[in-house]
Amino acid sequence: GQNIDQPTEMTATEGAIVQINCTYQTSGFNGLFWYQQHAGEAPTFLSYNVLDGLEEKGRFSSFLSRSKGYSYLLLKELQMKDSASYLCAVMDSNYQLIWGAGTKLIIKP
Amino acid sequence: GAVVSQHPSRVICKSGTSVKIECRSLDFQATTMFWYRQFPKQSLMLMATSNEGSKATYEQGVEKDKFLINHASLTLSTLTVTSAHPEDSSFYICSARATGDTGELFFGEGSRLTVL
Repeated sequence: GQNIDQPTEMTATEGAIVQINCTYQTSGFNGLFWYQQHAGEAPTFLSYNVLDGLEEKGRFSSFLSRSKGYSYLLLKELQMKDSASYLCAVMDSNYQLIWGAGTKLIIKP
Repeated sequence: GAVVSQHPSRVICKSGTSVKIECRSLDFQATTMFWYRQFPKQSLMLMATSNEGSKATYEQGVEKDKFLINHASLTLSTLTVTSAHPEDSSFYICSARATGDTGELFFGEGSRLTVL
């Protein structure tokens, strides 16, 4: 079956760095997405990786290793507003999105 | 976790026809459902917010008469693409928020529409 695994919850300190991991097993691969979702709001797009390597976008970076079925989202210089859930999603060979359950990130002052 | 089911997962239709996509919350009641559209390698774009028993709220630039949304019950919302054209070909995904819940959204698997 198809499966996306990411930690349920993580805690980090304001100003620090945190890495959220995502491993996946899907039938085919057409890209991996990271979304941020604040409580009560729709998710917002953070990044898209389809080739191996690191994509940097401001304070956020996303890494992909297709051979390992692995990705991580790296958040630097954490701010209180970064407290949210982070969703990992993989598009499979049928272009269906397989979603992870999300990682709730708690930022402490 | 809660399950949201979309149907059909893939549909191919001729230009000028209408297509209906269903979004069902299987094990919870959803006061609010969201409809998104996604082009290849791009982010989900929120199209509209569907509220049970009332009219949907459409995002700017989304044609209300083109994309008809009905949320007649707490477990079902439908999106009808009317008079579909090739430019409507896209990936449509819904998500649902449980009644009384102020946070978590549950997503459907998505529906890929191809208009010939």
